[in-house]
Amino acid sequence: ETGVTQSPTHLIKTRGQQVTLRCSSQSGHNTVSWYQQALGQGPQFIFQYYREEENGRGNFPPRFSGLQFPNYSSELNVNALELDDSALYLCATALMNYGYTFGSGTRLTVV
Amino acid sequence: AQSVTQLDSQVPVFEEAPVELRCNYSSSVSVYLFWYVQYPNQGLQLLLKYLSGSTLVKGINGFEAEFNKSQTSFHLRKPSVHISDTAEYFCAVKGDGGTSYGKLTFGQGTILTVHP
Repeated sequence: ETGVTQSPTHLIKTRGQQVTLRCSSQSGHNTVSWYQQALGQGPQFIFQYYREEENGRGNFPPRFSGLQFPNYSSELNVNALELDDSALYLCATALMNYGYTFGSGTRLTVV
Repeated sequence: AQSVTQLDSQVPVFEEAPVELRCNYSSSVSVYLFWYVQYPNQGLQLLLKYLSGSTLVKGINGFEAEFNKSQTSFHLRKPSVHISDTAEYFCAVKGDGGTSYGKLTFGQGTILTVHP
């Protein structure tokens, strides 16, 4: 039990569709980051939210967007899905800006 | 910008033998360093982290790592491995400030396979 819960665990979508992935964290963890991990690769930073505002972004297009809510839960939204979006999506939370705790991830398959 | 190179993609080792997983990084700013472990179909679990202070860092499950600033390395070691240590290990670096705030940059991973 890591204290970070992601849902759903698995998801299959069709190219062009939109998807929303969810993450809930331990109370007080006001920093949340999202990562994309393609098969056989290390995780790649998508973006980070701190107190409900985006304060860091990696090399991902604007169709990747997010939200963080007052209860510390978070969403990752991806529009116009492409086949290359198939990956494990990881959410990580922290109370301070290091020592991140990762969830078990959502495996997204785009067909 | 930061980058991380894990020098071995796969490391096979026999049970109870010692192991070292190598990690080199590059950064133009001060860094924080991490090692994570990932078991099949699971997320990442933090093994240990270097933030400041002593360059020898001890983590969970008997792992330790040494921060070497002059060689820009952060190698992970365990004196005696178990079958249960079979997993993929990721080295990560976080820069102290700058753009992409909060970003962890990961290496490509090292698959450790412990044989009986």
